[in-house]
Amino acid sequence: NAGVMQNPRHLVRRRGQEARLRCSPMKGHSHVYWYRQLPEEGLKFMVYLQKENIIDESGMPKERFSAEFPKEGPSILRIQQVVRGDSAAYFCASSPIVGTSWGYEQYFGPGTRLTVT
Amino acid sequence: DAKTTQPNSMESNEEEPVHLPCNHSTISGTDYIHWYRQLPSQGPEYVIHGLTSNVNNRMASLAIAEDRKSSTLILHRATLRDAAVYYCILSEPRVAGGTSYGKLTFGQGTILTVHP
Repeated sequence: NAGVMQNPRHLVRRRGQEARLRCSPMKGHSHVYWYRQLPEEGLKFMVYLQKENIIDESGMPKERFSAEFPKEGPSILRIQQVVRGDSAAYFCASSPIVGTSWGYEQYFGPGTRLTVT
Repeated sequence: DAKTTQPNSMESNEEEPVHLPCNHSTISGTDYIHWYRQLPSQGPEYVIHGLTSNVNNRMASLAIAEDRKSSTLILHRATLRDAAVYYCILSEPRVAGGTSYGKLTFGQGTILTVHP
């Protein structure tokens, strides 16, 4: 059973370019979270998505950042017009959902390390 | 979400038990206690979680104080592969889109060093 996959693992962009980060959840998981880890800081929640729906984007910066999880294909985190402050490790996680009970673990991918030059 | 307090670092010897403490004096009644660990340049790895009762799984045990204001992650026999940053996280289930979900906020964690 393949784990959460993210690509690319490393991404270098110049200021002003666009960055697209992809996340394929574990098989059977249809819920995805995105987190950002700035240098020397802990991971911070960005957005939670189900297939074709953004459920909670309270951690997303108001501008330049967007996320989607289409019916087919991976979840995409898109950063437009990147700035140096966007340099960070971006992790996605997926979780199994059974009914409405929670407490289930989140399975994290290896992350995409974005460097903005 | 309520905050947690963990020691910055701890050390252990291989094959000895390790007790990693976490204080969460402002925990609410609906907060779950989660533990994750992260190795350098890797994503976090789920370790264990609980609500009120002590929990055991193949990786570790979680001992939760009766008043829930503190908890301890127990690694029964540390190995070199257990060297990592361990995060104690409180998270309250939220409901939206027809399901429950949880947002995790990682603090600085405890850096565990395991000596051969």
